[in-house]
Amino acid sequence: DTGVSQDPRHKITKRGQNVTFRCDPISEHNRLYWYRQTLGQGPEFLTYFQNEAQLEKSRLLSDRFSAERPKGSFSTLEIQRTEQGDSAMYLCASSLVETGPQETQYFGPGTRLLVL
Amino acid sequence: SQQGEEDPQALSIQEGENATMNCSYKTSINNLQWYRQNSGRGLVHLILIRSNEREKHSGRLRVTLDTSKKSSSLLITASRAADTASYFCATVLIQGAQKLVFGQGTRLTINP
Repeated sequence: DTGVSQDPRHKITKRGQNVTFRCDPISEHNRLYWYRQTLGQGPEFLTYFQNEAQLEKSRLLSDRFSAERPKGSFSTLEIQRTEQGDSAMYLCASSLVETGPQETQYFGPGTRLLVL
Repeated sequence: SQQGEEDPQALSIQEGENATMNCSYKTSINNLQWYRQNSGRGLVHLILIRSNEREKHSGRLRVTLDTSKKSSSLLITASRAADTASYFCATVLIQGAQKLVFGQGTRLTINP
């Protein structure tokens, strides 16, 4: 069990550029979540997938954000035309849904984005 | 918006003492979970307590849940320097996706 991995761990970009992050969940997990965390705050939900289907998106996820999980395994989160307000830690979590809502989500180390 | 509020926002104690953190939330929940986050790292799951449970233990951790007051507490006994971290409570609501709704966290510092 290698855990949830995210790549890259750090990303510095200039305002207006596009960035893409990748998340590899624990292999048998069917749910994958994206969260965003700004300094001094708790994580906030962005979106989640069950297998390859994107089932919910937060209103935090503007049109500049898009997430995919094409084969129900890894996921990508793309931010187009980055803004300084996008600077945050982007966290991915995965879980195995078997018995209803009592699932434990396992988090990756996060990708820290800085938009200059 | 975040549902939970942790109290205190910061806590500093001596090694060996007990640390208590509180969490309040606003809407009905399915379960409540506590996570730990070391500086700049991902979150580590500590414990999950269901809405029909009142107390749960895991090693040096004790979690209580009072659904009538919409509150929970996390007690860490015999604290160690390695317990220094931020602690977050997160709720799973009854309706909707099983997303976690986090509080703002308590920053715990254990002084050697």
